Amino acid sequence: EAGVAQSPRYKIIEKRQSVAFWCNPISGHATLYWYQQILGQGPKLLIQFQNNGVVDDSQLPKDRFSAERLKGVDSTLKIQPAKLEDSAVYLCASSFILLRELFFGEGSRLTVL
Amino acid sequence: RKEVEQDPGPFNVPEGATVAFNCTYSNSASQSFFWYRQDCRKEPKLLMSVYSSGNEDGRFTAQLNRASQYISLLIRDSKLSDSATYLCVVNRGNDMRFGAGTRLTVKP
Repeated sequence: EAGVAQSPRYKIIEKRQSVAFWCNPISGHATLYWYQQILGQGPKLLIQFQNNGVVDDSQLPKDRFSAERLKGVDSTLKIQPAKLEDSAVYLCASSFILLRELFFGEGSRLTVL
Repeated sequence: RKEVEQDPGPFNVPEGATVAFNCTYSNSASQSFFWYRQDCRKEPKLLMSVYSSGNEDGRFTAQLNRASQYISLLIRDSKLSDSATYLCVVNRGNDMRFGAGTRLTVKP
């Protein structure tokens, strides 16, 4: 069974530029999560989708971050404009249903200069 | 109070030692609990779910104390390969929240 796919693995941009990350969850998984993990910290939930609806985006900085999950499968997370403090690993995870174990992709490591 | 709090660590133990981590959570209505393991510069991977009656998987034992709102992870006979950061995960409503993690280093 294929795991969660993410791209790109690494991205370096300058502040005020924009960036987009893509995630393809495990086939059949209805729930998709985007987490931000800053070095030395635990993952912080940014947004959670159930199929193509948003379950929770209370911690998403909506002035600069946006995310969508078209057709309830793939998802894209966008940052525009990026700030230095956005440097982190962006982890996508999926689960079969709500409140079940999460399976993570390898993450997208963002460096903002 | 943070939603999910873990022992700050780091824990440095010799091979063969027994080590225990605790994780407290703030929402008494939480019902899903997990321990994840994260190696350096890797993604978190599920170590084990935590069930109400407690559960064991080889050298690993997880327990849940609802009255005091904490979960624990016990590792017996530590191996060098157990060196990693251990993250506890607790649901808040329909979403899953992570603790900051506890770093474990097992030394020869």
